[in-house]
Amino acid sequence: DVKVTQSSRYLVKRTGEKVFLECVQDMDHENMFWYRQDPGLGLRLIYFSYDVKMKEKGDIPEGYSVSREKKERFSLILESASTNQTSMYLCASSPAGTSDTEAFFGQGTRLTVV
Amino acid sequence: KNQVEQSPQSLIILEGKNCTLQCNYTVSPFSNLRWYKQDTGRGPVSLTIMTFSENTKSNGRYTATLDADTKQSSLHITASQLSDSASYICVVTKMDSSYKLIFGSGTRLLVRP
Repeated sequence: DVKVTQSSRYLVKRTGEKVFLECVQDMDHENMFWYRQDPGLGLRLIYFSYDVKMKEKGDIPEGYSVSREKKERFSLILESASTNQTSMYLCASSPAGTSDTEAFFGQGTRLTVV
Repeated sequence: KNQVEQSPQSLIILEGKNCTLQCNYTVSPFSNLRWYKQDTGRGPVSLTIMTFSENTKSNGRYTATLDADTKQSSLHITASQLSDSASYICVVTKMDSSYKLIFGSGTRLLVRP
């Protein structure tokens, strides 16, 4: 079974803190993604990576950065957390290939910025 | 306006009853459509995938339909169980260089005993 593991289920951080969200997958997938999920808005893509050290901006990259130093690990960084970044964050991975490949999701990290 | 619209936003049904969830999309060009189930506090898990040429696909008590002409899909749940309580998300893959996933905002289903 594919496993995508996010380091924390729940996080509470203060405004202005630098926040790291970690994601690890164990299936040697090339593609990794970070989404945020807010009520009524669905999942929105923040950043994705299709190879080690490669990254591409998604739909809402402002206020975020990412790091992919190893194939299995994709980190999301909030440079200076703000209250409007309170959200559920979901990491996903998928193998390279055609559009029919499935994205596998982690269990999510619920981040609250106070 | 969202490119993938789902209805209803939420739904409550009694255990054992059937229900149908709707998904309308405007994504173009279209590659495929997936339905995901997301249990509370968990990540989404894929239920079905349909490409342009497929108009129905089943996975146990879940049956998805697709009308690529009208750009509509539905997910029918038969003989609902308490464990069906979850959010159901319609996801359309755009056929471009990155095969971008476009997510609907989901339908939250509650199955009551």
